Amino acid sequence: DTAVSQTPKYLVTQMGNDKSIKCEQNLGHDTMYWYKQDSKKFLKIMFSYNNKELIINETVPNRFSPKSPDKAHLNLHINSLELGDSAVYFCASSQRGGVETQYFGPGTRLLVL
Amino acid sequence: DAKTTQPNSMESNEEEPVHLPCNHSTISGTDYIHWYRQLPSQGPEYVIHGLTSNVNNRMASLAIAEDRKSSTLILHRATLRDAAVYYCILRVQGAQKLVFGQGTRLTINP
Repeated sequence: DTAVSQTPKYLVTQMGNDKSIKCEQNLGHDTMYWYKQDSKKFLKIMFSYNNKELIINETVPNRFSPKSPDKAHLNLHINSLELGDSAVYFCASSQRGGVETQYFGPGTRLLVL
Repeated sequence: DAKTTQPNSMESNEEEPVHLPCNHSTISGTDYIHWYRQLPSQGPEYVIHGLTSNVNNRMASLAIAEDRKSSTLILHRATLRDAAVYYCILRVQGAQKLVFGQGTRLTINP
């Protein structure tokens, strides 16, 4: 069973469109994250949710809106897509506190044309 | 978050040990040293972490200098599947985010 899953794996869309990426974890963790990896391969955190509550928002544009319907899901909705949004988006989860390991999903490769 | 410095790339041969260095001269007493790796076209995966003492697990060993200003990830017998980008990350206990640097791209030659 996949611990952290993301859909879709690939997403190709036009500028200006709105799209969503879904993430689910079956590890029973209470904290979930979204990271972005750009074309230069730098990985950077975007958001962190703990028990459906937003904990970290790393100055991400308002066009990005995470939504956590429950502890096991953290979806990422992006409005008015721009060329610079092209990247690989990784979802991750962990148990809050301590130095708990983060488990990452396989990534969603977004290409904005 | 304290900064880490790693070589951009390293190369080794299959079935030989690999020592991946990481400098973190500004580490604070509450910073844990974490290592993650990212295989091609995959998400990062946890490798190992430690605070002061050396650590071993099934994947690797972590050797931490006595002054904690540097550490070394040791892969005892590299395989082709170990080819990845290895990230050394400092993380305060309880801190949620991982701050990734550029990492070390490890190439394993058959």
